[in-house]
Parts: sequence; C-alpha cells; structure tokens
Amino acid sequence: QQPVQSPQAVILREGEDAVINCSSSKALYSVHWYRQKHGEAPVFLMILLKGGEQKGHDKISASFNEKKQQSSLYLTASQLSYSGTYFCGTQRGYSGGGADGLTFGKGTHLIIQP
Amino acid sequence: EPEVTQTPSHQVTQMGQEVILRCVPISNHLYFYWYRQILGQKVEFLVSFYNNEISEKSEIFDDQFSVERPDGSNFTLKIRSTKLEDSAMYFCASCAGERSYEQYFGPGTRLTVT
Repeated sequence: QQPVQSPQAVILREGEDAVINCSSSKALYSVHWYRQKHGEAPVFLMILLKGGEQKGHDKISASFNEKKQQSSLYLTASQLSYSGTYFCGTQRGYSGGGADGLTFGKGTHLIIQP
Repeated sequence: EPEVTQTPSHQVTQMGQEVILRCVPISNHLYFYWYRQILGQKVEFLVSFYNNEISEKSEIFDDQFSVERPDGSNFTLKIRSTKLEDSAMYFCASCAGERSYEQYFGPGTRLTVT
C-alpha cells in the first residue's frame, strides 16, 4: 500500500521554508526521501530507520514518527536548486529488512521562485 | 564518486519484441533493483536481486520479465514480448546492504514501445 504525500504541490519564494509529509497506514521499517528533477533519476536525500531518528544535512532535515507512521521532510531557507518533485519511499521490512524494494508515494512538486 | 550506470539511455522497440536493459551497479554493492516510472507518474518497484536470485518482486513483475546477473558487473532486465503499456523509464538501483541501506539510482533507460 503506497504512502500518502502532502501537499501535492507547493510554490515558494527563495528563502522560504517548506515541509513535505509522508504517511502510511501500515507499520514501517524505514522511510527514504528522494528528489527528482524533470527527465532525471531520483536522487537520494536521506533515510530514516525505525526509532524516530531525525536526520539532516545542510538545510534539509527529516523526522520519522513510527507511532504515527509519518515522516516529514523539512527544507529550510529554500534555494532555486531545491525545485523538483520529492518522493518518499517506504519499506515494511518483511523480506530483506532495509534492503526491501521501496514503495513510493505520488510525489510533491516543489517550485521555488526567485 | 561511484555511480550506477545504465545502457542504452533510450530504446525504441516494436510491440512483441524482446528487449534487454542493462545496468552496472555500484561496485561492492550487494542488492540490486529495477524500478519503472511511467511518464508523469510515481516510481514503481519491480524486483530486487541478492546473492544471484530474486529476493522480492511486485505484481508488475510477471512472467514476461526476467532479471539476470550474467557476470560480476552487469545486471539485466529482460522483457520478453513488449506491450505498449511497457513504455516507461526504467531505473536500476543498488544498495550496499550490511546496515547501509541507501538505494542509489542510475540515470534510467527510456523504453518506447510502438
């Protein structure tokens, strides 16, 4: 069952903050976040494993609330280069644990304007 | 920096023909995946491969699909008899495993079935 992402789209001015959410109705082992620009491959941003760990690098961070089966991606002081579609991919952890295939949400389109 | 490579970048084929998509995963990675993305839609998991066998597959991965690791570096996806609805971008990904579960995607092969 695919995770649900919200919002579907967001338009920001450069320098503004954004939050993208990903939720599942099933218990999750992990959440992976990717950014995809038009015509390119998804680029790995970060992975959050069961345990509610918050991770981040530079001005992008994420959290995982395993009780609520929700993850949020935080983009601080957005830059033009942040534009793209953000996907969360989830794993239930059945067969290979952290090596399972990812089930992706439909994506959140982020447009950053100067 | 090591990366996943895929060939060809674009494949055009006629309905009913067989196609083989090729991938070279990141060296020393243990887990390999195929995903597909129909234009404008989300990324969908097809199959994962570990230790020379399929470890997980989705309902999309039916009898017309097969995967193989013919040598120590290549990982292939074969579609036996292509259909119009197989037109999509096909991404290969690899993961190191052993507590490192980030999946890195290749640039993709755009398959067009006419």
